[in-house]
Amino acid sequence: AQSVSQHNHHVILSEAASLELGCNYSYGGTVNLFWYVQYPGQHLQLLLKYFSGDPLVKGIKGFEAEFIKSKFSFNLRKPSVQWSDTAEYFCAVNAWNTDKLIFGTGTRLQVFP
Amino acid sequence: NAGVTQTPKFQVLKTGQSMTLQCAQDMNHEYMSWYRQDPGMGLRLIHYSVGAGITDQGEVPNGYNVSRSTTEDFPLRLLSAAPSQTSVYFCASKDRSMNTEAFFGQGTRLTVV
Repeated sequence: AQSVSQHNHHVILSEAASLELGCNYSYGGTVNLFWYVQYPGQHLQLLLKYFSGDPLVKGIKGFEAEFIKSKFSFNLRKPSVQWSDTAEYFCAVNAWNTDKLIFGTGTRLQVFP
Repeated sequence: NAGVTQTPKFQVLKTGQSMTLQCAQDMNHEYMSWYRQDPGMGLRLIHYSVGAGITDQGEVPNGYNVSRSTTEDFPLRLLSAAPSQTSVYFCASKDRSMNTEAFFGQGTRLTVV
């Protein structure tokens, strides 16, 4: 069965610091990978997605993620965070032969001015 | 285009009461699913459906029933609510084509006392 691990549970940064959130999945076949963001009190919104092709994908608000197949990883990055990036971030994986979207436990990011 | 609509937004139940959380989508998506979100546990899949008349269990199905009589609607039923079912519930839908993303509703915050 597929599973997703997010090792950073709570990250605290100052504005302008760089961000990298880890995501590892367990599934040997082809996968679709996603990062979702949930701002306080809101529903999940898609940040970026990887289906195939260039392993470096760019999303909204300056976020990017790199798919490293050999490491089963899909880490999220942002060079310079802003206070408005304070949110919870979820990595999710969808194996190609199943419709199920499985989420990691999430990373709570707090950015201080 | 409303997307995925969940009702109600908030609900308080007494232990043992029953209720139905409603989810409707207007994107003609075949796949619909229910998640619960709990602190530190991310989103866990409760039930999902790949089309009208077809449902299956996710990671945490106990205590919940679903049915799918139309493409648009996917209600989640709690037959006898328990305090352990206090959570935020999200409905999601997506097209069953290979490279697609899921769209989420606004969530239902359920408290069982």
